Amino acid sequence: DIQMTQSPSTLSASVGDRVTITCRASQDISAWLAWYQYKPGKAPKVLMYDASGLESGVPSRFSGSGSGTDFTLSIGGLQPDDAATYYCQQYHSYPWTFGQGTTVEVK
Amino acid sequence: QLQLQESGPGLVKPSETLSLSCSVSGGSINNSSFYWGWIRQTPGKGLEWIGNVYYTGSTYYNPSLKRRLSISVDTSKNQFSLRLGSVTAADTAVYYCARHIYDRSGSYLVYFDYWSQGTLVTVSS
Repeated sequence: DIQMTQSPSTLSASVGDRVTITCRASQDISAWLAWYQYKPGKAPKVLMYDASGLESGVPSRFSGSGSGTDFTLSIGGLQPDDAATYYCQQYHSYPWTFGQGTTVEVK
Repeated sequence: QLQLQESGPGLVKPSETLSLSCSVSGGSINNSSFYWGWIRQTPGKGLEWIGNVYYTGSTYYNPSLKRRLSISVDTSKNQFSLRLGSVTAADTAVYYCARHIYDRSGSYLVYFDYWSQGTLVTVSS
């Protein structure tokens, strides 16, 4: 199985800050990567696909980059509503696997 | 707007079978463009893909769970179901159902674009 490792596990930032979350794959996954936002009690929401594709309806302050084994999700101009846990998921190979999550706290 | 809603017991005894169903509304499960999947979230392991089913009944299972797992589809009810046998405390998790979509070429399953809100299943005597 491809292991997905996210860092940091938790980060705290202020409204308006730019934050970056990293996801590293245990082997080359090209750009076959999605990012999700999870808030307790709600359905997880896909933010990015193919590493840098913005899902329809997702604010443009979210951006993704990377290919191969190293990927980032950035939030430019952090908003209170962005407080959530973010997960990456690879779809290069079966079985599909997720990172362990990064919790973003908004001060 | 597509919506998915799980149903099933919130408490299961160790060694018994966990059974959940997912009802799909706002779209047909009888669609060649999607698979329908189960994913769970545990404090220790984060998100874990469990398995998928196609409207024809074809399945993909996570090898780590395959021995205990069965996923089926009922197109007449527009729902799909999960059965996980011989459960232990390690199977305590929030269980989600989700739609798994293909890439533009229609060749590869990629990401999950619609999810349910999740249901907590606790394994305890």
